[in-house]
Amino acid sequence: GQQLNQSPQSMFIQEGEDVSMNCTSSSIFNTWLWYKQDPGEGPVLLIALYKAGELTSNGRLTAQFGITRKDSFLNISASIPSDVGIYFCAGRQTGANNLFFGTGTRLTVIP
Amino acid sequence: GAGVSQSPSNKVTEKGKDVELRCDPISGHTALYWYRQSLGQGLEFLIYFQGNSAPDKSGLPSDRFSAERTGGSVSTLTIQRTQQEDSAVYLCASSLAFRFTGGSYGYTFGSGTRLTVV
Repeated sequence: GQQLNQSPQSMFIQEGEDVSMNCTSSSIFNTWLWYKQDPGEGPVLLIALYKAGELTSNGRLTAQFGITRKDSFLNISASIPSDVGIYFCAGRQTGANNLFFGTGTRLTVIP
Repeated sequence: GAGVSQSPSNKVTEKGKDVELRCDPISGHTALYWYRQSLGQGLEFLIYFQGNSAPDKSGLPSDRFSAERTGGSVSTLTIQRTQQEDSAVYLCASSLAFRFTGGSYGYTFGSGTRLTVV
């Protein structure tokens, strides 16, 4: 399957700091999504992006669909303890039945 | 139901035994997906069902893995002759439509079945 390279693999930050993570691919995707997974739960959709260059916000979260259509980033502003979890990027290619997922960024917020 | 329901939540089995994992999707969702999440890894696509169409089995790792979806609703993932490398969390997701046309057409995931093969 397609490889989505997600970085960083893990982050330890102080509460209140901003966070940035990204996802890159060697292939073009026509949809990028960002999910968050809490322990023992399935991933939950945070933001969906459908057009190259699109910048979308959801509260303190902002994500962008890269112009090359091969990357996306997620920013979290003013982090809080409940932001802890694993963040996954996911992409869909034209004609594909499924999403391809990145390996995840594990976020730890230190109060 | 209100969400995607998976059972059992945990399963411990002996190497060589068969296991069945169940997924009950959100009512009205025509698409159903199975993914596998190994420790510290991303989600690996296994199989996709859309309505009455033939399933996309391109992600199944071996012929020991099979899945069916009865009546366009409940799905069962079966792993025969389990091996230790099959240990993982098996996630099921459903969605309204195959195409992401904007809005909330992302997957809704269940909480997964944690399979441990000893």
